[in-house]
Amino acid sequence: KQEVTQIPAALSVPEGENLVLNCSFTDSAIYNLQWFRQDPGKGLTSLLLIQSSQREQTSGRLNASLDKSSGRSTLYIAASQPGDSATYLCAVKGNSGNTGKLIFGQGTTLQVKP
Amino acid sequence: DGGITQSPKYLFRKEGQNVTLSCEQNLNHDAMYWYRQDPGQGLRLIYYSQIVNDFQKGDIAEGYSVSREKKESFPLTVTSAQKNPTAFYLCASALQGSLDTQYFGPGTRLTVL
Repeated sequence: KQEVTQIPAALSVPEGENLVLNCSFTDSAIYNLQWFRQDPGKGLTSLLLIQSSQREQTSGRLNASLDKSSGRSTLYIAASQPGDSATYLCAVKGNSGNTGKLIFGQGTTLQVKP
Repeated sequence: DGGITQSPKYLFRKEGQNVTLSCEQNLNHDAMYWYRQDPGQGLRLIYYSQIVNDFQKGDIAEGYSVSREKKESFPLTVTSAQKNPTAFYLCASALQGSLDTQYFGPGTRLTVL
């Protein structure tokens, strides 16, 4: 059974710092991995999607990497800003079947202090 | 504007009552999903539907029911059989279930009084 873990659960950094969020998964047979952002009381916004054949994806100040063999992904945020404060969730989609089912981690709540 | 809407934003229920959460999308997506989110936990899949008039149970379907009579609508009923229904409920849709990114609605927060 696939399990997804995110560490740390919470992170507080001063504005301008570069930071890394971690995501690990137990079954390397994944179709893709996705990073989402969630603001308090809101839905999820997709940030980056990495296919199983890819090593990384970049969008602006965000860079996500994927190492299937070790069951790990990282989300790198450069030059953090107070507007980056939110909960970040990673989710994997398995290879078995075609349900599109996503397995989510618990999330990392990020606070960027001005 | 295209997107996914959920209503209501907040919902209060007395114990023993059934309530229905609405999810509508105008993205012409085939697949729709319902997730539950509890504090400090990730999202867990309740039900999903890949085509009209067909749906499957997710990981935590007990105490919930759904219907998919129209492509754009996927309502979720929380029945009195659900022992701990207080949670944040999120609906999502995708163009075709297995391959495409899921887009999420704004969520409904259900509180049982």
